[in-house]
Amino acid sequence: IAGITQAPTSQILAAGRRMTLRCTQDMRHNAMYWYRQDLGLGLRLIHYSNTAGTTGKGEVPDGYSVSRANTDDFPLTLASAVPSQTSVYFCASARELGYEQYFGPGTRLTVT
Amino acid sequence: DQQVKQNSPSLSVQEGRISILNCDYTNSMFDYFLWYKKYPAEGPTFLISISSIKDKNEDGRFTVFLNKSAKHLSLHIVPSQPGDSAVYFCAASAETSGSRLTFGEGTQLTVNP
Repeated sequence: IAGITQAPTSQILAAGRRMTLRCTQDMRHNAMYWYRQDLGLGLRLIHYSNTAGTTGKGEVPDGYSVSRANTDDFPLTLASAVPSQTSVYFCASARELGYEQYFGPGTRLTVT
Repeated sequence: DQQVKQNSPSLSVQEGRISILNCDYTNSMFDYFLWYKKYPAEGPTFLISISSIKDKNEDGRFTVFLNKSAKHLSLHIVPSQPGDSAVYFCAASAETSGSRLTFGEGTQLTVNP
């Protein structure tokens, strides 16, 4: 089934631990994005990638890193998690920047 | 600095009536606007969009209106159905900033049978 998958679905993580959220799309989209959703703040862009091999910072990049080794995968890493990173994380992809984005089901992360 | 604002956190309407969701923006460089719908435990899904060269776009029961002078857009759903109950996000992008989306806070729509 074409689309975007995210893993894990949810995770409870101790502060200070390292965590990688996985995102894979099979639509051969060039652009990929990571957002976090927080109540009252909507969706905020963390990092994005125009195409494989390139990444860029979004609105709230601090504490997060990404890589884009190939077209399909766009992992998000929290090097040392903090409680303020408790959120729901959504990965999205688009044919190109500026086109409609397709979202994954999200990862609910709780940092204690 | 919230460039896209949805001032109503929630809206409740009766089935069959019109739902009007509002969105205001401050960045005059925005040239493309979108609405996304989100059900609980799912990712947002694209609903409808409008370019800044238009003032209206219609798709079935959904119509988006854009008032550039007021920096305001609205989503009309008519007739509203219980299955429309969801969180609706307004988003905007500017070609000059790489067409990345800026989202509003979201409005929870509840359509009562």
